[in-house]
Amino acid sequence: DSGVTQTPKHLITATGQRVTLRCSPRSGDLSVYWYQQSLDQGLQFLIQYYNGEERAKGNILERFSAQQFPDLHSELNLSSLELGDSALYFCASSVEGSGYEQYFGPGTRLTVT
Amino acid sequence: AQTVTQSQPEMSVQEAETVTLSCTYDTSESNYYLFWYKQPPSRQMILVIRQEAYKQQNATENRFSVNFQKAAKSFSLKISDSQLGDTAMYFCAFTTNAGNNRKLIWGLGTSLAVNP
Repeated sequence: DSGVTQTPKHLITATGQRVTLRCSPRSGDLSVYWYQQSLDQGLQFLIQYYNGEERAKGNILERFSAQQFPDLHSELNLSSLELGDSALYFCASSVEGSGYEQYFGPGTRLTVT
Repeated sequence: AQTVTQSQPEMSVQEAETVTLSCTYDTSESNYYLFWYKQPPSRQMILVIRQEAYKQQNATENRFSVNFQKAAKSFSLKISDSQLGDTAMYFCAFTTNAGNNRKLIWGLGTSLAVNP
């Protein structure tokens, strides 16, 4: 158990819908990262937050947004869902200055039908 | 461009034997951190081992060790005394000290099967 929690574990929804994925980092970790793992594109970095502020953006679609709250949990919002958004979404957390190792949650499996 | 290449999509090894997974990377940064992650069938992403680029000594974690060749930009993972529980997808990744972005750059993975 990495100490990072993600809910829900599985999500099945229809095209055009909107979903919210939730992540709670390890105790003491200020940084949260979101990654998308799809079969054809491997692991892709989406976005990073540090202590409530957006720090870096990767290949995140405009239909996707995220935020980190004062209690440090983070949410990833996916809207106008398309079939191609079906993937495993990981949240990871880290402590700055610790060698930058990131600890991953169990992931949320999103299936868009 | 920053990239990671894992040239072995699939590998297999007999239980109790040793196997080495290859990884090469490319970055223009001088200070970075390298990682191997394991993803078993449960899909959980588990940190196996990490290496700081400024350290010459190769990292070891129990049965797992790395061969870090900075000049060649090579970072291979050796698994000794392979166990059935080592069956998983293994990903090589790195992150740099550049700016505030600590994103991991990932390879496409090597699927390792440990056979009884």
